[in-house]
Amino acid sequence: DTGVSQNPRHKITKRGQNVTFRCDPISEHNRLYWYRQTLGQGPEFLTYFQNEAQLEKSRLLSDRFSAERPKGSFSTLEIQRTEQGDSAMYLCASSADRGNEQYFGPGTRLTVT
Amino acid sequence: AQKITQTQPGMFVQEKEAVTLDCTYDTSDPSYGLFWYKQPSSGEMIFLIYQGSYDQQNATEGRYSLNFQKARKSANLVISASQLGDSAMYFCAMRAYSSASKIIFGSGTRLSIRP
Repeated sequence: DTGVSQNPRHKITKRGQNVTFRCDPISEHNRLYWYRQTLGQGPEFLTYFQNEAQLEKSRLLSDRFSAERPKGSFSTLEIQRTEQGDSAMYLCASSADRGNEQYFGPGTRLTVT
Repeated sequence: AQKITQTQPGMFVQEKEAVTLDCTYDTSDPSYGLFWYKQPSSGEMIFLIYQGSYDQQNATEGRYSLNFQKARKSANLVISASQLGDSAMYFCAMRAYSSASKIIFGSGTRLSIRP
């Protein structure tokens, strides 16, 4: 399978714990995006990488959130001191430099209890 | 500011009928792209179709076509000969080319196909 992959698919954690998600983009895609989707809403942009450089961050990305793409390939999204409001689906997408469409992974569903 | 509006929270359609999902958008950027994505219950966002703001013809991809009316700022999705497998959430989205990154999504329309 050469699509975007995300791990884990599901994560249940207690409030206050840290969690980390991983995204592996389509191999030839230089651009990588993180989105968050809550129930009944469309995805909301969180952050964007071109290669290893993080070029844009949404105001939704509080200081408890950090994303990295150290070698320009896979990316990680870490949430520190999780809160119940962080419960959502976290989607990763990738695109080619000159591509229009973004291809999404299956998402990681986070539940904070 | 950019905005996508989908006014149909849910729709029911008989199998084999055509269906139109409405989408209007707002942007001050002269160059932009419009997208439709399908999200089945499994959660994965599936890219369906793309329309560039300078494209002269409406985009088509198999049973999907995008009815692009630039003056009205609308980008409706038309699905011909609907199938049971078309039941899903459908999201209209836009990317302004002044912002090379993020896609702005609408709130979605839940389409249910009746056998």
